[in-house]
Amino acid sequence: GEDVEQSLFLSVREGDSSVINCTYTDSSSTYLYWYKQEPGAGLQLLTYIFSNMDMKQDQRLTVLLNKKDKHLSLRIADTQTGDSAIYFCAESFMNTGFQKLVFGTGTRLLVSP
Amino acid sequence: NAGVTQTPKFQVLKTGQSMTLQCAQDMNHNSMYWYRQDPGMGLRLIYYSASEGTTDKGEVPNGYNVSRLNKREFSLRLESAAPSQTSVYFCASREGGATEAFFGQGTRLTVV
Repeated sequence: GEDVEQSLFLSVREGDSSVINCTYTDSSSTYLYWYKQEPGAGLQLLTYIFSNMDMKQDQRLTVLLNKKDKHLSLRIADTQTGDSAIYFCAESFMNTGFQKLVFGTGTRLLVSP
Repeated sequence: NAGVTQTPKFQVLKTGQSMTLQCAQDMNHNSMYWYRQDPGMGLRLIYYSASEGTTDKGEVPNGYNVSRLNKREFSLRLESAAPSQTSVYFCASREGGATEAFFGQGTRLTVV
């Protein structure tokens, strides 16, 4: 079955790096994603990584994928107060001919000045 | 460009009442999804639709029905609302093999 897990909270100071971790169970995942949710809003795609990649960098964001351990992480460099939000890890995999999209519990990132 | 539009944004129901949450997308996507978001539980998939006229159960379908009568719209119906269905509901769509799923702004439903 599919299961995606994340820690619930992370608190950092402005300017520090933030690392949000995620574990997943389905080894047939094709893509893994990080979505950001600001208060009262829907989810916006931050970045994604294809399952045959180990790392992807996009400006302040670095995604690391350890496929053997089924572990995904998101590093935000020089974290700003505007980065405070809930971050969701998600995996996409084929199930009975349909690309399912399963989300983790979300990690609430709080950035203090 | 509207993307994914959900209505209503807020709703309060009494236990036992019924209602339909509407979702429409203007991106010509085949795949559409309904999720519910509860504190500490992330987004859980209620139902999904691979294409017009087809629907399948997700992780938590009990108490809900869906309808995909055309490519644009995917509605979620609560026949007899219960307090356990108090949640924020999100609709999403994406093209079959594409990377990004697009989300609506959510419907905050309270059942009293």
